Amino acid sequence: DTAVSQTPKYLVTQMGNDKSIKCEQNLGHDTMYWYKQDSKKFLKIMFSYNNKELIINETVPNRFSPKSPDKAHLNLHINSLELGDSAVYFCASSRGLAGRSETQYFGPGTRLLVL
Amino acid sequence: AQSVTQLGSHVSVSEGALVLLRCNYSSSVPPYLFWYVQYPNQGLQLLLKYTSAATLVKGINGFEAEFKKSETSFHLTKPSAHMSDAAEYFCAVSEGGSQGNLIFGKGTKLSVKP
Repeated sequence: DTAVSQTPKYLVTQMGNDKSIKCEQNLGHDTMYWYKQDSKKFLKIMFSYNNKELIINETVPNRFSPKSPDKAHLNLHINSLELGDSAVYFCASSRGLAGRSETQYFGPGTRLLVL
Repeated sequence: AQSVTQLGSHVSVSEGALVLLRCNYSSSVPPYLFWYVQYPNQGLQLLLKYTSAATLVKGINGFEAEFKKSETSFHLTKPSAHMSDAAEYFCAVSEGGSQGNLIFGKGTKLSVKP
């Protein structure tokens, strides 16, 4: 059983297109996250949701819009894709607002390439 | 603001040799510290974490790390490297606030030579 899953695994698209990445967790967690890993492997938080509500929205362009239809899902929609959006996007989840020591469980990543 | 510095973007060891991956943190409050491993083309997996209990933390796959407040360090070690340990290793600190946001270091790529 996959704890945190993401689809698609690979995404190749043209500049200017709109695309979505889906994430689902079956761990019963309350908090979900999106991270971006750039070409130098640097990981940075983009968004954090708790019980379907946005908790953190780092300095991310508003072309990126997360949507959480329920606690188990956190999707990422990207409008007007740019070359600089090429990266690996990771979804993660944790048990929730139980303090700062919660383990985050990561999905396998979505490798986005914008041409 | 909290931050993490990983010394050495690339570490190479021989199979059977000691593995030492360095991590120093900066935090104005008692930190929670994590080591994650990323195998090629995969997501991140937790190796171990420090949550203010024992300062020597044992993790999976024979790894351990010691929290040293005086040195603001949380170095990761393994007595004997195995070929399967070749991966990217990330140290992270949990950001302030209740949401448990992670601030990652830039990662250290571990290569293991036969």
